[in-house]
Order: sequence, then structure tokens, then C-alpha cells
Amino acid sequence: DTGVSQDPRHKITKRGQNVTFRCDPISEHNRLYWYRQTLGQGPEFLTYFQNEAQLEKSRLLSDRFSAERPKGSFSTLEIQRTEQGDSAMYLCASSLSGGDQETQYFGPGTRLLVL
Amino acid sequence: AQSVTQLDSQVPVFEEAPVELRCNYSSSVSVYLFWYVQYPNQGLQLLLKYLSGSTLVKGINGFEAEFNKSQTSFHLRKPSVHISDTAEYFCAVRGWGSARQLTFGSGTQLTVLP
Repeated sequence: DTGVSQDPRHKITKRGQNVTFRCDPISEHNRLYWYRQTLGQGPEFLTYFQNEAQLEKSRLLSDRFSAERPKGSFSTLEIQRTEQGDSAMYLCASSLSGGDQETQYFGPGTRLLVL
Repeated sequence: AQSVTQLDSQVPVFEEAPVELRCNYSSSVSVYLFWYVQYPNQGLQLLLKYLSGSTLVKGINGFEAEFNKSQTSFHLRKPSVHISDTAEYFCAVRGWGSARQLTFGSGTQLTVLP
């Protein structure tokens, strides 16, 4: 078990383009979370899945953002029509429901820069 | 809903000196508390957590934290820091019940000076 992995680690895009990030959780973890971290701030919750079901979404998750976890394993986060304000680190975390009081383990993040 | 306040945005300290990073939280329900560390351009690594039981919890790299319910605090301490402890430290809280997400403080940059 190598922990939570995210791909790509860095992404530079032009305003208006679409981007997609991938997260692979720890293999036995059924809960998966997305957070966004801007410079100098702590991570802010975006959304979370239990298995393939998206159970909660933050008000931060505008209509341009969509997340999926089609088979209850890996997840993708897509941002459509990117804006400069989307520049941030996007962090993925996973946990096991009922286990270890659902401690969340984080991946290395995807750093997005929108020009 | 929960909120977290990390009272110091930057803490410089000399190598081998003790350090305390302060964290206060607000919540209408009982909470779980966490400290994470973030090295430059990396994700968050769990340092320690308070779930229940003993209010003094020990974590990795010689860090410990004490849960104080009356003062709603969860301060992080280390008796002797090393250069390699230089990083950003985040306190986080999760309420009992249905809410699953973590609420983070704004972080404390610990800089250990030679």
C-alpha cells in the first residue's frame, strides 16, 4: 500500500480551458474527499464520496466543478472553463468508514496554475 | 459547524529549543482533533490525533498535544526542535455525527533556525 496518489502533480493551463485531476485512494478506504488549498491558507472542503455516491458538496463547488467516483475506487475532479481564481492546490484524502475514527490520509496534491 | 483558530501565523525558534503551536477550536458538538504537517509542495501528513481517552496524545517525530476541553484548545508541543521540523502545521477538527469533512485552521509556519 503506497498511500493516496494524485495525478498530475502540477498543471498549468490557460483561462477558459478544462482540466481534470485524478485521485487514487488507499485501497481499502471507502470514503474519498476533495479539498482546495490556496496560498497561505488551510485546506477547504469541496466534496466527499462514500463508495461511488457523492454525499456532500460545499458551496465552494461551483457549477464549473464536477467530481465523480464511478466504481467506488479512483475519483476525478474536473474544472470547466477555468478562471484565474481556480489556481490552488487540490488535495485528495481517503478514510475507512468506522475504522480509526475515520482518520483522513492525504495525497501529495495537484497544484493548478491558471494563466 | 466548527471553526479553528491558529493564533500564530509564523513561529521562529532556534534549533534544540522547545516550541508550542497554539490551536483553539469552536464547536457545538464533541469533536475529534488533528494536527497535520505540510512540507513545501507536498500534501499533508498526519502528526497526531485526539479521538477520546487520555487528553495527552503523542505523535510522530517527537510531537505531542494536549486536549483541553474547558479552554477548547489543542496545542502542539515539542521539547527540542530540529532544522527538519521546518514546515507548515495545520490544526483540524471534525465534529461527531454525520459531518465527515475536516475544518482546518489557517496554519502556522514553523521555522527552525540554526
